[in-house]
Amino acid sequence: AQSVAQPEDQVNVAEGNPLTVKCTYSVSGNPYLFWYVQYPNRGLQFLLKYITGDNLVKGSYGFEAEFNKSQTSFHLKKPSALVSDSALYFCAVTLGGGGNKLTFGTGTQLKVEL
Amino acid sequence: EPEVTQTPSHQVTQMGQEVILRCVPISNHLYFYWYRQILGQKVEFLVSFYNNEISEKSEIFDDQFSVERPDGSNFTLKIRSTKLEDSAMYFCASIRGQTETQYFGPGTRLLVL
Repeated sequence: AQSVAQPEDQVNVAEGNPLTVKCTYSVSGNPYLFWYVQYPNRGLQFLLKYITGDNLVKGSYGFEAEFNKSQTSFHLKKPSALVSDSALYFCAVTLGGGGNKLTFGTGTQLKVEL
Repeated sequence: EPEVTQTPSHQVTQMGQEVILRCVPISNHLYFYWYRQILGQKVEFLVSFYNNEISEKSEIFDDQFSVERPDGSNFTLKIRSTKLEDSAMYFCASIRGQTETQYFGPGTRLLVL
């Protein structure tokens, strides 16, 4: 079985400050890890993914995430937050092969304030 | 840039009625998925579809649900007899290959009264 934990329901940060949204995962094998963002009444937009290779992956809109195998974590980061980054962020995990279903975390609401 | 599309964007139905949610995946994609998100909750996997058959389905995907790829472009989710608890946002997703990213459609918001 695979699972994802996002321990924070909400993260508040001031514009211009760095942000971190936490994610830990559990799978029995090598994980493929993803971050998606959801704006109100919208679908899920892909931000970035880790499949293999460099542990630091860079994605859309200046976001990056670091894969840490020993801590089974894949935290999302951005050096300088924007008000427009305010949205719901989902971490997801899958194992390659088969139907490749994604298992999502419960989501973290990011609020960036002026 | 190609994208997954879904219709309708919103649907209101009476309990016990059948609904069909439609999706047009990205044209060269081979794997197709349905997920749902009950209001305020996380996104949950329903079913995956490859090579004209179901690859995997979750416990949620019971006999009331079915999927079909009736032609080369559409991918549909049918709920035979809707229940109040089927009210949710339903997302379609597709990928080209097993290591690729799943791209999601904008969703269909289903409300069962």
